[in-house]
Amino acid sequence: DAGITQSPRHKVTETGTPVTLRCHQTENHRYMYWYRQDPGHGLRLIHYSYGVKDTDKGEVSDGYSVSRSKTEDFLLTLESATSSQTSVYFCAISDEGRGYGYTFGSGTRLTVV
Amino acid sequence: SQKIEQNSEALNIQEGKTATLTCNYTNYSPAYLQWYRQDPGRGPVFLLLIRENEKEKRKERLKVTFDTTLKQSLFHITASQPADSATYLCALGQKAAGNKLTFGGGTRVLVKP
Repeated sequence: DAGITQSPRHKVTETGTPVTLRCHQTENHRYMYWYRQDPGHGLRLIHYSYGVKDTDKGEVSDGYSVSRSKTEDFLLTLESATSSQTSVYFCAISDEGRGYGYTFGSGTRLTVV
Repeated sequence: SQKIEQNSEALNIQEGKTATLTCNYTNYSPAYLQWYRQDPGRGPVFLLLIRENEKEKRKERLKVTFDTTLKQSLFHITASQPADSATYLCALGQKAAGNKLTFGGGTRVLVKP
């Protein structure tokens, strides 16, 4: 998607290993979000950021941490991956001036074995 | 508890007809409601936003209504086309800081030629 990229697109990792997913934006938007999407649960907010070094928890934040040291980058870290964290992870950005609509990245499919 | 419900059954519709999707919510006081389209393997794409003081919004062949008394939004695709086949998600935003959205589970639409 234009202006927002996620990496990697796919990853397989072993239980207990740390994993970091990256979201990079070129839109200079203030707000950035991490969601996970699972069948039967829809999109659920993990963490979000409202500025550099300003982050807060979402509804499913346990086992995840985030960092935002620059406007353009928002990192999601699974400290010790578990099988329950197998999911598709989406990053999103929003600019209040656009009426709050989100722009989503293409997603990262993470499999924890 | 807070809940956003969309019909989990797929909606099969003939080309040219109007598709109507429902989004019901409980225990929310949303400031606005958004609709997104999601294609397989892709991130959601923002379609429309409607605010709590608006009854109806239109964009090309799309129409959204918002009834805060019934706690319901209807999403209409008129003159549907096979290219409209996708999953459609509703999302609620509240007045709290961060422009956080809570998503429904989505309804899959299949438009048959």
